[in-house]
Amino acid sequence: EVQLVESGGGLVKPGGSLRLSCAASGFTFSSYSMNWVRQAPGKGLEWVSSISSSSSYIYYADSVKGRFTISRDNAKNSLYLQMNSLRAEDTAVYYCARVVPIGGYFDYWGQGTLVTVSS
Amino acid sequence: EIVMTQSPATLSVSPGERATLSCRASQSVSSNLAWYQQKPGQAPRLLIYGASTRATGIPARFSGSGSGTEFTLTISSLQSEDFAVYYCQQYNNWPLYTFGQGTKLEIK
Repeated sequence: EVQLVESGGGLVKPGGSLRLSCAASGFTFSSYSMNWVRQAPGKGLEWVSSISSSSSYIYYADSVKGRFTISRDNAKNSLYLQMNSLRAEDTAVYYCARVVPIGGYFDYWGQGTLVTVSS
Repeated sequence: EIVMTQSPATLSVSPGERATLSCRASQSVSSNLAWYQQKPGQAPRLLIYGASTRATGIPARFSGSGSGTEFTLTISSLQSEDFAVYYCQQYNNWPLYTFGQGTKLEIK
């Protein structure tokens, strides 16, 4: 069974940093591109960042470029999101999601971890 | 950026009736469109990909249609568990994925 479990969320002050993790199991993690998607309270879904299976290709939404860093450790079946210079508008539930190869849509999502940026 | 616009924002339908949700892209996305269902406190769940292919385990009452810029999600006979928020997503311009703002399907 495919499982994605996020962790690392919490309350952080504006300008602070946080590192999110996503533990994957039930599939060959190293064969899949992965993404982070966020959802502000009461709002819709926003794509944040993508990383290819071997970390060769990395992309960011303009809203987080230069502040967030996506990475992965295929030996540990884990995906990460390092978030620096956090702003109030970064407050959201952050989901990791698996991308279907030769498809591009997201077939499995984790349950999400809440990040709250507030003083 | 490809902008996805969903309508209506809220749809009120009685159980057993048909629901039709729309999604429009600001430019052609071919058939590279997915639909997701999200219930309160849960992660999104993939319903439809390729504009019209049901994901594994999705009931046949869910169907998708369209191509280019106009897409539709139809739920033929609403069950109580179908009341949720539905999002469309284009992946034609991957990895610059974009989602619609969502349609809330509520019980009439």
